[in-house]
Amino acid sequence: SAVISQKPSRDICQRGTSLTIQCQVDSQVTMMFWYRQQPGQSLTLIATANQGSEATYESGFVIDKFPISRPNLTFSTLTVSNMSPEDSSIYLCSVGGVGAFFGQGTRLTVV
Amino acid sequence: AQSVTQLGSHVSVSEGALVLLRCNYSSSVPPYLFWYVQYPNQGLQLLLKYTSAATLVKGINGFEAEFKKSETSFHLTKPSAHMSDAAEYFCAVSESGYGNKLVFGAGTILRVKS
Repeated sequence: SAVISQKPSRDICQRGTSLTIQCQVDSQVTMMFWYRQQPGQSLTLIATANQGSEATYESGFVIDKFPISRPNLTFSTLTVSNMSPEDSSIYLCSVGGVGAFFGQGTRLTVV
Repeated sequence: AQSVTQLGSHVSVSEGALVLLRCNYSSSVPPYLFWYVQYPNQGLQLLLKYTSAATLVKGINGFEAEFKKSETSFHLTKPSAHMSDAAEYFCAVSESGYGNKLVFGAGTILRVKS
């Protein structure tokens, strides 16, 4: 199993600002995934992040809004840019292997 | 494309009763299937997974699920519900051999009555 740490655990941000979420894994992993869980809804994949290459974004998500970094095999960041209240969600980092593991999530509220 | 359907957005059972949460999937290739639990204000915890080995999978906290290819189902069961089982449960599917990109169902909120 993998232990995943996400920072911050929660934040309240002003609209128009940006927030960078960090994800640290206790072992080296090839692929890391970022999901969004909007209030009362299920999880939706934002993008897949491989070390050394650009992230692959799912339909409906763009790099300008959700830039991702993956500088090494244990770390990734997701930035939520130019935030609006519609971005208020839980953002979760996940790592693969057979049986994905998730961080505790970052609960973002945009006011 | 893969998809997951969870029948019943809310399920209510009495303490000690059988828990049955339904999940049907659609996949063009042999799938990997997962059940996760999410307690209020917490992240996701893996309950169990099917990865093409035994069709009856046992997980944590007394839960188990059976993969039925003919019915494209992966229902989650527990013989006797406990108050601590009250949470939201998500079924998810991944194409086998592909880096665990997951597609989630809409979730089922389980309520346990005393």
